[in-house]
Amino acid sequence: NAGVTQTPKFRVLKTGQSMTLLCAQDMNHEYMYWYRQDPGMGLRLIHYSVGEGTTAKGEVPDGYNVSRLKKQNFLLGLESAAPSQTSVYFCASSLDRTPQDTQYFGPGTRLTVL
Amino acid sequence: AQSVTQPDIHITVSEGASLELRCNYSYGATPYLFWYVQSPGQGLQLLLKYFSGDTLVQGIKGFEAEFKRSQSSFNLRKPSVHWSDAAEYFCAVGAGYKLSFGAGTTVTVRA
Repeated sequence: NAGVTQTPKFRVLKTGQSMTLLCAQDMNHEYMYWYRQDPGMGLRLIHYSVGEGTTAKGEVPDGYNVSRLKKQNFLLGLESAAPSQTSVYFCASSLDRTPQDTQYFGPGTRLTVL
Repeated sequence: AQSVTQPDIHITVSEGASLELRCNYSYGATPYLFWYVQSPGQGLQLLLKYFSGDTLVQGIKGFEAEFKRSQSSFNLRKPSVHWSDAAEYFCAVGAGYKLSFGAGTTVTVRA
């Protein structure tokens, strides 16, 4: 099992450019999440999905869009990147929504917007 | 609203010494509590979690945590740290998909 993988690992964008981050999991998990990690702020939830074809907003959704066309993939898009979106992005997945369920994290994508 | 406070931004500890990381939470119901570790350049790995039962929870890598409802705390401990324990540690509270993370504590281990 590869677990949760993220593509790419690093990316540099100019303001206004667009890009898509790909998250893939091979654990047949229903739930998937996108977080951003900023210094001194921990992880903040951007969007999440409770199953194929569904998405929902998290704590900081503005400027991002997501899609879950296949159960194993969760895409995060930036339509017009801004310097404030410079961050490390983590994808996670979990089997279901029981309270004690564990979220499994990918290795992260470091994004810099100039 | 649920929230987590990790009062210590950075802790330096000598190899072989004990380690304690503090976590205070705010949660309206019975909390589900987690500790994750992030090694440099890596994703987050679950160390342990608490959701009921014994208030002293054992995790991986020799870590344990104690849930104290009266103090709204879930502190992480390790009796003897190894150089490989140098990492950032995150406490989280919540249930299922609604996790709130603390800002993290960076642990440096000196020889």
